[in-house]
Amino acid sequence: EAQVTQNPRYLITVTGKKLTVTCSQNMNHEYMSWYRQDPGLGLRQIYYSMNVEVTDKGDVPEGYKVSRKEKRNFPLILESPSPNQTSLYFCASSLSGGGGPTYEQYFGPGTRLTVT
Amino acid sequence: AQSVAQPEDQVNVAEGNPLTVKCTYSVSGNPYLFWYVQYPNRGLQFLLKYITGDNLVKGSYGFEAEFNKSQTSFHLKKPSALVSDSALYFCAANTDKLIFGTGTRLQVFP
Repeated sequence: EAQVTQNPRYLITVTGKKLTVTCSQNMNHEYMSWYRQDPGLGLRQIYYSMNVEVTDKGDVPEGYKVSRKEKRNFPLILESPSPNQTSLYFCASSLSGGGGPTYEQYFGPGTRLTVT
Repeated sequence: AQSVAQPEDQVNVAEGNPLTVKCTYSVSGNPYLFWYVQYPNRGLQFLLKYITGDNLVKGSYGFEAEFNKSQTSFHLKKPSALVSDSALYFCAANTDKLIFGTGTRLQVFP
C-alpha cells in the first residue's frame, strides 16, 4: 500500500530535550516536506527536500533541522524543543517537477507534539 | 506576499443541499490549485487540482471546483452534500512551493 508513515504519532516532551520525528514514504517520491498545523493558521511549511541531499527552508524553519540521506526518509529534528513548537506535524511527499510540487501531495497521519 | 484565502472559517449546510467552499489566491504567474480534505485525526487527502484547460475540475467523492482566472478564485462545490462530507477543507496554490489557506470547516447537518 502506498503510504507515508510518521513516528511517533503522539509525543509529550520537556523543553530542551532533543527529539526526532521520523517520516518514510514507499512511493519513490522525489519531493518531501514537513508542515506544522496550528489553529487559525492552516499548514505552514517547515522544510522541504527536492531530492536526496537537497533540502531547503520553508516558511517557519527556526528551531528545526532535517536531513535527506535516503530517498524514502526525511526525519524532522528538534534540537532543543520549546513550548511554542507544540503543534500537529505532518510529513508529505509527491512526485516532483520543475521548481516545485506540481503533483498532489500524500500526507502522513500526523504527529501531535506537546512540549512542556 | 503570496497567499491563499479561505474567507469562511465554517460553512454549514443541510444534507442534500448544494455546498460551496470559497477560495481565492494571490500568487504570481499561473499557479496550480489544489483542494485537500482532512478528516478528524487523519492527514490531508487530495481531492482535486487545476492545472490548465477546462475551468470546471472534477475530483473525488463527487466534488468539483470552478477556476475563475479574472476573480483569482477556485471555489469547491458539490451538488448534494452528505453528512460524511463534514471535515476540514484546505485550498492550496503551487508556485515554487505549496501555499495553504487556513482551512474551512464544513458541517453538514442531517
